[in-house]
Amino acid sequence: AQTVTQSQPEMSVQEAETVTLSCTYDTSESDYYLFWYKQPPSRQMILVIRQEAYKQQNATENRFSVNFQKAAKSFSLKISDSQLGDAAMYFCAYRSSPGDYGGSQGNLIFGKGTKLSVKP
Amino acid sequence: DTGVSQNPRHKITKRGQNVTFRCDPISEHNRLYWYRQTLGQGPEFLTYFQNEAQLEKSRLLSDRFSAERPKGSFSTLEIQRTEQGDSAMYLCASSLTRNQETQYFGPGTRLLVL
Repeated sequence: AQTVTQSQPEMSVQEAETVTLSCTYDTSESDYYLFWYKQPPSRQMILVIRQEAYKQQNATENRFSVNFQKAAKSFSLKISDSQLGDAAMYFCAYRSSPGDYGGSQGNLIFGKGTKLSVKP
Repeated sequence: DTGVSQNPRHKITKRGQNVTFRCDPISEHNRLYWYRQTLGQGPEFLTYFQNEAQLEKSRLLSDRFSAERPKGSFSTLEIQRTEQGDSAMYLCASSLTRNQETQYFGPGTRLLVL
């Protein structure tokens, strides 16, 4: 079974600085998707960024970028120029690829999350 | 596109009562997922629909839980004979097969069982 581990329960960053959130995962599958979701205090989960495992290029979305190391099964999120609105819980999630569901129909497997605080 | 909506947003009930939650997915999304999130944890998968068919249930989904998605549109999640351990946030997500399966989440229903 796949697992996702986020080893940083809490992180703090100064406004305008850069912070990196860590995520590791375990899988025997070769093709899959990885996601970072943000859950602000209002608790609606918002997709931040997505990475397809077959793509070597790291995904980037404005101030958010990932460092995807497939061999190491590592998927970290870098937030540049941190803003007060970035304060939230961040969840790393794994999903099997559509052609490799096995016993899973594509549900997301989440880590326990990292609470990010942004100091003004 | 109005996003995924869930009702009610909050529910307080007494142990032993039945509760029902509703999820309205993004229109035309054919897949719908239910997750449960307890305090300090990431969401955990409960069940999944493709159109009106319920294709998978997690072991977390005891026989007190039932979910439906009539006509492949909205979905309901019912918990019978609620227990204090059922207190959690219940999240619904939907996705469209063609969109690389990105799941979009609703705001959740927070259940408190007294």
